[in-house]
Amino acid sequence: GAVVSQHPSRVICKSGTSVKIECRSLDFQATTMFWYRQFPKQSLMLMATSNEGSKATYEQGVEKDKFLINHASLTLSTLTVTSAHPEDSSFYICSARTVPNEKLFFGSGTQLSVL
Amino acid sequence: GEDVEQSLFLSVREGDSSVINCTYTDSSSTYLYWYKQEPGAGLQLLTYIFSNMDMKQDQRLTVLLNKKDKHLSLRIADTQTGDSAIYFCAATDTGRRALTFGSGTRLQVQP
Repeated sequence: GAVVSQHPSRVICKSGTSVKIECRSLDFQATTMFWYRQFPKQSLMLMATSNEGSKATYEQGVEKDKFLINHASLTLSTLTVTSAHPEDSSFYICSARTVPNEKLFFGSGTQLSVL
Repeated sequence: GEDVEQSLFLSVREGDSSVINCTYTDSSSTYLYWYKQEPGAGLQLLTYIFSNMDMKQDQRLTVLLNKKDKHLSLRIADTQTGDSAIYFCAATDTGRRALTFGSGTRLQVQP
C-alpha cells in the first residue's frame, strides 16, 4: 500500500516553544491531507483538512493560530504547534488521501510531550 | 455529522475467531474502514469496504456490512497473539470527506 512518513515520532519540548511535525506521502501525490489528534485511550479526532495550495480547513474548536498547517506541495504537509502548553501534549497523526479511490493512509504518529 | 460507535474491549483465546462490531449513523458513507493500532504506533489500514458491498474477505479478515442497520463487523479468523491491538472502525463523513473514527476496540488475545 501507499506509504505516509511522519516525522518526528517523538518530541519533548518546553512550554512556550513551537514544534513542527512533517507528513510526507512517499509514493503518491496527495492533494488532501488530514491531521488528527488522539488523547490517551481515546479515539482520533479530526483537527483540520489540509489542501495543497490553499488554506487549511479547521474543525470547530481547533485554534488555527495555534495549530498552523502548511501544505505547500503535493507530497508534504506540516503542522506547527505554536507556543506549546502542557495541554497540547498528545499523539498527532496525519493521513493522506489517494486519488481517485480515496483511500486514506496514515503516518506513524508523533507523540508530543510539553513540559 | 457522523457518529461511529464500537464496544471497548474484547478478549478471545488464541485460535478462536474474533468479531468486532461497529455502528455508524451517516447512511451516505461511501467507504467504511478498519484500522489496527499497536501501542505507541500509528494506524495500519487493515481493510475497507465500499458501501455497495455486503461482504469482503481478505485472508483471515472478513468484513460484513449491513447497510440497512448501519452495522459493520470485522471477523478475524484463527486469532493470534500478534493480533492484540486496538481496532478502529471509521466511516467517511460525506460532508467533510474525512474519516470519523469509533472509540476503538481493544482486542486481547490470550494464549
